[in-house]
Amino acid sequence: QVQLQESGPGLVKPSGTLSLTCAVSGGSISSSNWWSWIRQPPGKGLEWIGEIYHSGSTNYNPSLKSRVTISVDKSKNQFSLKLSSVTAADTAVYYCARNSIPTMVRGVTSFDPWGQGTLVTVSS
Amino acid sequence: QSVLTQPPSVSGAPGQRVTISCTGSSSNIGAGYDVHWYQQLPGTAPKLLIYGNSNRPSGVPDRFSGSKSGTSASLAITGLQAEDEADYYCQSYDSSLSGRYVFGTGTKVTVL
Repeated sequence: QVQLQESGPGLVKPSGTLSLTCAVSGGSISSSNWWSWIRQPPGKGLEWIGEIYHSGSTNYNPSLKSRVTISVDKSKNQFSLKLSSVTAADTAVYYCARNSIPTMVRGVTSFDPWGQGTLVTVSS
Repeated sequence: QSVLTQPPSVSGAPGQRVTISCTGSSSNIGAGYDVHWYQQLPGTAPKLLIYGNSNRPSGVPDRFSGSKSGTSASLAITGLQAEDEADYYCQSYDSSLSGRYVFGTGTKVTVL
């Protein structure tokens, strides 16, 4: 079955850029599914960051859109997240996930499976 | 900031039934978008529990059930077990602004 694994620096300086990669195994990133990034600040709830299709098409959360870039590398079967101008408010566990339903119709999908998550702390 | 509201906590004795509400609005649940539910055990990633309002993925016990009506949805756990102690989140889609997937505020279930 499909498995996802996040990787990247666990510590980022304020005003810097957070960069994470999600490696997909057990399936192809070129399937008909979209792929998402979701984050969870310590002790708080979940926030959807954005999604990407293997063609490179993206959709972002309007609240983060000006700072977020999600890209895909089909040759490595992985996708990536960049979040710029980070502050302490961006400290969170970052998860990658597969949009469960393989459809181009927005708004119908759940997320499954999820990666185990990686904690990124923004601090000097 | 979340547009889907859940009670912060619910509790029940083993064997009892508990329900968790998820209240939205006309731009998300009320607009007809499906509601999905996740279980998050301490220190782990969320796990899909209910999809498409009332469907259980393979392997999820039938003690878990979901429903949706109007601008709200509910998750019910019957025959509560100690292993059900976790955080639960609802999720849907909101069409306001440019559209985005949204999660509920989360509910901590405590087994007494």
